[in-house]
Formats: sequence, structure tokens, C-alpha cells
Amino acid sequence: SAVISQKPSRDICQRGTSLTIQCQVDSQVTMMFWYRQQPGQSLTLIATANQGSEATYESGFVIDKFPISRPNLTFSTLTVSNMSPEDSSIYLCSAREDLNTEAFFGQGTRLTVV
Amino acid sequence: AQTVTQSQPEMSVQEAETVTLSCTYDTSESDYYLFWYKQPPSRQMILVIRQEAYKQQNATENRFSVNFQKAAKSFSLKISDSQLGDAAMYFCAYRDLRAGTASKLTFGTGTRLQVTL
Repeated sequence: SAVISQKPSRDICQRGTSLTIQCQVDSQVTMMFWYRQQPGQSLTLIATANQGSEATYESGFVIDKFPISRPNLTFSTLTVSNMSPEDSSIYLCSAREDLNTEAFFGQGTRLTVV
Repeated sequence: AQTVTQSQPEMSVQEAETVTLSCTYDTSESDYYLFWYKQPPSRQMILVIRQEAYKQQNATENRFSVNFQKAAKSFSLKISDSQLGDAAMYFCAYRDLRAGTASKLTFGTGTRLQVTL
């Protein structure tokens, strides 16, 4: 399967600031996703990144807090805006080549908000 | 809504032994996929094994096999001949095939597997 590169791998940020996480896939993919994994917890889907249109957000997640871009079939960004300590999590990018293949994941971004 | 439950927060197994991780799920759908993912300390989620609900035969991948009980909505993972490299968090996951939701994965809370010498 394709490989996802996610940057940064970790960061420590001040509350009230914003961080943009980049996700680069080494081949074109149909679907890209952003997940949050809070400390010691499971993965929760934030949104599906749609190429050329607004992302589709899951219940409990809003565009103002987590703006997402997907300018092409290999790249997406997730911004965590106006951060608070509760946003400290691992954020994972995932992709699927098409409906007949399974999702693969990046190594995640460990975010700590102080 | 679909839910996935892993009732074992932590498990331990000795090297070369066999361990079984449990997973139950709830769905009203008849067609779906079930997965086990492994997350080592590197944080990368790695697909271990996949089971299609329409298949009665249990999936196997080398030392990894599942016991899929559709009526009971149970999907356990058996790891044989455990190795130190198997130590990780293991997540059970579900994906159905309905239009609009076919791409979403629902994860359980995970089981941390420790492998001892």
C-alpha cells in the first residue's frame, strides 16, 4: 500500500495558538481522513477530507475548530485552532486508495498544548 | 449507531505462547467488514487482519487468526507463537458498506498486549 508522511511528528504549543498538520501520500488516493486519539483512548474520526470541496465533519467536530484542506489527491492539512490543553492528543491521517482497499495510516502527530 | 467493545484493557502473554484478544460489536447491518489493527509505540496503525461478514471461514494471516461469530457479534483475535514484536495496542474496528458510511472505521477502545520472556 501507499505510504503517508505526516508532519510534524510532535509539537508542544501554547494555548490560544493554532497548529497545521500536513499529510502527504506518495500516490493518489480517493479518500483521506483525520482521526484524533486522546491519551489512552481509541481513535475518533474528525472528518473526511474531500478534494476540492469542504470536508465532511463528524458529530462533535466543527470546521471553525478543525479547518481541513485537500487541494489534490495526495495532500491534506488539518489545523487545530485556538488550542487548549484538552486538544492534547495524537492526530492521525489516514487514506484509502479506493472503496475496495483498506485504510492505511500515517505515524501521527503528538500534540501537547501547554 | 455501530459500536465496538473491547473488554480487556490489558493482556499479557509469554513469548511463544498463544493469546486471544476479545471484541464484540453491535450493528443492524448484514454486510460489513471487521478488522484488527496493531499500534506499536511508533504510533503507526498497522492492519493485522480483515474479515468480511459474508464469509463463514475465519480469516488467517500467518500467526494471526480470528474467531468470527456473526450471530453472537463476536470477533476475537488469536496470536500464536507470540513474539516480542507483537507487543502493542490492538484495536478492533468495524466498517459497514452503506452508501455514505462505507469508508468510516469505528474503533474499539483497544487492548494493550504485553509479551514477556
